[in-house]
Amino acid sequence: QVQLQESGPGRVKPSETLSLTCTVSGDSISRGNYFWGWVRQSPGKGLEWIGVIHYSGTTYYNPSLETRLTMSLDTSKNQFSLKLRSVSAADTAVYYCARGGITLTDWFDPWGQGALVTVSS
Amino acid sequence: DIQLTQSPSSLPASVGDTVTITCRASQTVRTYLNWYQQRPGKAPKLLISAVSHLQSGVPSRFSGSGSETYFTLTISSLQPEDFATYYCQQSYTTLWTFGQGTKVEIK
Repeated sequence: QVQLQESGPGRVKPSETLSLTCTVSGDSISRGNYFWGWVRQSPGKGLEWIGVIHYSGTTYYNPSLETRLTMSLDTSKNQFSLKLRSVSAADTAVYYCARGGITLTDWFDPWGQGALVTVSS
Repeated sequence: DIQLTQSPSSLPASVGDTVTITCRASQTVRTYLNWYQQRPGKAPKLLISAVSHLQSGVPSRFSGSGSETYFTLTISSLQPEDFATYYCQQSYTTLWTFGQGTKVEIK
């Protein structure tokens, strides 16, 4: 059974970098079949697709975040990560990691439990 | 970006009711349309992929249909655990988008 778990600081100061890691168990990122991605949900709001990364290193980002965003893989630790630079209060959200599909026309399943990140000084 | 508009935003219902949620896309998404359930304080859970494919373990009272720009999620005989928020999501374009959500709440 595949499980994902987000980790990282729960509070980040404005203008700094938000960094989150997703640890995968029950599956191997280096198996190379899937995309791995991130979705966020601002308090009381809906879901926003952040982007995905493939084992090959290929990434697809939400254009609204692209200039501030970097995703990466660490296959030795079976983890993937997100870095979002120059954050503001608008980036306060619950951040979910999830496994995507084999193609970009699939879906996210399963999801991590989510990590609340608050941007505040 | 493809916009997904769900209706209604809020759906008061009772246990045993049959409810239908609609999801309209601003342009065709063919059949690349998925549905998720989110309970309060929990992560979204995939219910239905590719319009109508029920995920393993999801009760058969959930069903999906549609194509191109119009899709529906129907829940037959609502159970207490079904009171939650439901989201549609398209993967036709590289930029995946979600609907704004429909909250099924107790009447």
